[in-house]
Amino acid sequence: DTAVSQTPKYLVTQMGNDKSIKCEQNLGHDTMYWYKQDSKKFLKIMFSYNNKELIINETVPNRFSPKSPDKAHLNLHINSLELGDSAVYFCASRTTNTGELFFGEGSRLTVL
Amino acid sequence: AQSVTQPDIHITVSEGASLELRCNYSYGATPYLFWYVQSPGQGLQLLLKYFSGDTLVQGIKGFEAEFKRSQSSFNLRKPSVHWSDAAEYFCACTYNNNDMRFGAGTRLTVKP
Repeated sequence: DTAVSQTPKYLVTQMGNDKSIKCEQNLGHDTMYWYKQDSKKFLKIMFSYNNKELIINETVPNRFSPKSPDKAHLNLHINSLELGDSAVYFCASRTTNTGELFFGEGSRLTVL
Repeated sequence: AQSVTQPDIHITVSEGASLELRCNYSYGATPYLFWYVQSPGQGLQLLLKYFSGDTLVQGIKGFEAEFKRSQSSFNLRKPSVHWSDAAEYFCACTYNNNDMRFGAGTRLTVKP
């Protein structure tokens, strides 16, 4: 069973389009995250939700909007895509007591 | 501001040789410390973690890491590297259990 699953795994789109990436975890964790990994492999935290409530919102353009319909899901919607948005986006969830993150396999977004 | 530094961008070792990957952190207090591994096209997998207690921690795949408070370091080691260990390695820290910060990563190449 996949613990943290993201869809789609690959996404190729044109500049200016709007796209969404979905994430689901079946681990019963309360906290979920979105990270962006750029071409140099640097991982940057974008958002964190705890039990559907936004708790971390880094300096991310407001074209990025996370949505958490329930604590098992955290989706990422991106408006007006730009070339610089091309990256791998990772969803993760966290155990309450140890802080360990469990990652999805990533969604590679390519903006042309 | 809290930060994690991995001084080595790329390391090459011969199969069977020992390995040490460096990690330094900059926090106001002792954080929770982690090492993750990322194989090509995959998400991140936890190798080991340190919260408190014994400063030498054992992880999966024969890896270990030692927390040294005086040096603000948490270096990863393996006595004998296997070809399958070739991957990207990330050190990470969290202080408040919400905000996990990652180093820039060290890419490990294993020579036959």
